[in-house]
This record gives sequence, C-alpha cells and structure tokens, in this order.
Amino acid sequence: QSALTQPPSVSGSPGQSVTISCTGTSSDVGSYNRVSWYQQPPGTAPKLMIYEVSNRPSGVPDRFSGSKSGNTASLTISGLQAEDEADYYCSSYTSSSTSFGTGTKVTVL
Amino acid sequence: QLQLQESGPGLVKPSETLSLTCTVSGGSISSSSYYWGWIRQPPGKGLEWIGSIYYSGSTYYNPSLKSRVTISVDTSKNQFSLKLSSVTAADTAVYYCARLEGDPFGGVDVWGKGTTVTVSS
Repeated sequence: QSALTQPPSVSGSPGQSVTISCTGTSSDVGSYNRVSWYQQPPGTAPKLMIYEVSNRPSGVPDRFSGSKSGNTASLTISGLQAEDEADYYCSSYTSSSTSFGTGTKVTVL
Repeated sequence: QLQLQESGPGLVKPSETLSLTCTVSGGSISSSSYYWGWIRQPPGKGLEWIGSIYYSGSTYYNPSLKSRVTISVDTSKNQFSLKLSSVTAADTAVYYCARLEGDPFGGVDVWGKGTTVTVSS
C-alpha cells in the first residue's frame, strides 16, 4: 500500500485558518469514511484530533474540523494558535490495513 | 485513566528478532470495545501501521510486514506483544503501542510514549 499524500508544510498567522489535504485513491480515502487525523508536536506521541472523517474526540477544540471530497480528505484549523504548531498526519483504512499520510508541518508565523 | 507503556531492548542486531511488550494500566485489555496495535516511526519520517490484535487473539497485519510480524496478547497480564523477525537497519524506529477504538483499523485514541529501537551490530 502507498502512503497518502500530504503537503510537506503549511503556515499561517495567529487567528488565520489553514487547511491540510490528504490525497489517496478510490481504494482508501475515496471508498471509506475511515479517515483520522493526528497532531504530533516534536518529541511526543501523536494525538487523535479527528476520526471517521469529521468527528472530534472529547477534549479536542472545535477549531479543528475534518471533511472529505472524493479521494481527498482535509483538516482545517480555524483561529490558528501558537500551540497548534506541530506535524499532522492523516490515516485511512485500505484493504484490511491502514495507511498513513506523508505528514505536514504546520508553522504558526 | 488508561495508560500504555512499551518495554523491550533498545538495541537489536541485524537478522535477529525485535521483541516488545506493551503493558496496559488503568483499564482492561479484555474490553470488547477496543483493539490494540503497534505503529512505528523511523527517525525523521512518518508513521507506519504494523498491525493490531483483539483480546480474543484475532490479528491484523500490514501486508508489507506480514511475513515478519507476530502480535500476541496475554490477558492475564494485561499485556500485548510485538515480534518482528529478520530485522535490518530499516526497522530502526520509535515503536508505539496503541489502543484502537471500535475496529482493528480504527482511530488510535490512546498512545504509549514510544520506545526507540535501533538495529545495529
């Protein structure tokens, strides 16, 4: 299975919105609503931010939202804050396995 | 609060078998609502799903690693384990144990802190 494609980096000023894309195929993102998003600050374990495309676990701010269109899923961070600076990874179910995205570094300017 | 803790050798020789154990505390590994898994991250790179297991022993593996991976569970000790055979330098990574909610490929809602395994002679 191939890794899902994410942009290497995105950036924004505090208060702005940024969107991270996660592009797969009709064999993964396009066929299943089993997309998750994770936030990973440097040197720490990932944290679940979104599951099943658009659901937020308890405790995750509503500034984080997820969506999907065709073979591409997206994570939007609204009202960007300094604490949001981290690496972000998507994941999707595919053929009795799970694929992760290539990762995106979010920089708060 | 549920916590996961990885343990095992930090250094493994090429061609040998990597063995790690994850101890679950603050909850039961026999819960019907969850699966348990392993995910790794090579230095400076992205995440890779290794596989997952249900408390009953049902296993699910990444096809690219399936021939070398064994995941097992010991409900009496509230632990699950990973064995990866015939390791090479490419298996050097931080290995995370994880809890998956609802299905063997679901979102990981609890992560261990991770343990670094280096493959080197």
